[in-house]
Amino acid sequence: GENVEQHPSTLSVQEGDSAVIKCTYSDSASNYFPWYKQELGKRPQLIIDIRSNVGEKKDQRIAVTLNKTAKHFSLHITETQPEDSAVYFCAAIAGANSKLTFGKGITLSVRP
Amino acid sequence: EPEVTQTPSHQVTQMGQEVILRCVPISNHLYFYWYRQILGQKVEFLVSFYNNEISEKSEIFDDQFSVERPDGSNFTLKIRSTKLEDSAMYFCASSPNGGRDGYEQYFGPGTRLTVT
Repeated sequence: GENVEQHPSTLSVQEGDSAVIKCTYSDSASNYFPWYKQELGKRPQLIIDIRSNVGEKKDQRIAVTLNKTAKHFSLHITETQPEDSAVYFCAAIAGANSKLTFGKGITLSVRP
Repeated sequence: EPEVTQTPSHQVTQMGQEVILRCVPISNHLYFYWYRQILGQKVEFLVSFYNNEISEKSEIFDDQFSVERPDGSNFTLKIRSTKLEDSAMYFCASSPNGGRDGYEQYFGPGTRLTVT
């Protein structure tokens, strides 16, 4: 089955800097890659996603890139703000099934 | 904006007891899911449900677990005889079309289950 790896487990940046979070996946049949933001004690919130027929997608300060050959995808956050501090999970859906396989999550801390 | 809702927000139960976690998916969605998250760990898939039957289940979803859509709005997860290791946050999610093309899954606020 699909395996999604996410490293490192923590990332600390200065407010205003950019943050890049990377994930790799194992199943070449994976075709949908969402990113979720989870604040402490709250639900995972979908913030951006990308499908396998697209290489990059942008929404204001966040963007996601996908490299199908290398089987990795990345979340880019520009001009980080303290409210960006949260746990970010990458996930993938492989082939004909629709279950999300999540990475372990990265805790992003934005220092004011 | 429509949201997935879940009740209760927190459930405390004794080992061996049955619990039912309830979810109301977004009204025009067709695919429903249960995931769980043990404290500090990643979100894990339990089961998917479509057209009134289970589409897929993980190895976690053993005979102690069952799901049901008793009416047109509710989607429930039952654990027949809870164990200490069932303590986790349980998230319900729904999707307009979770099929091959992969569509957005929207998560509920979760039910924190504590088994003592």
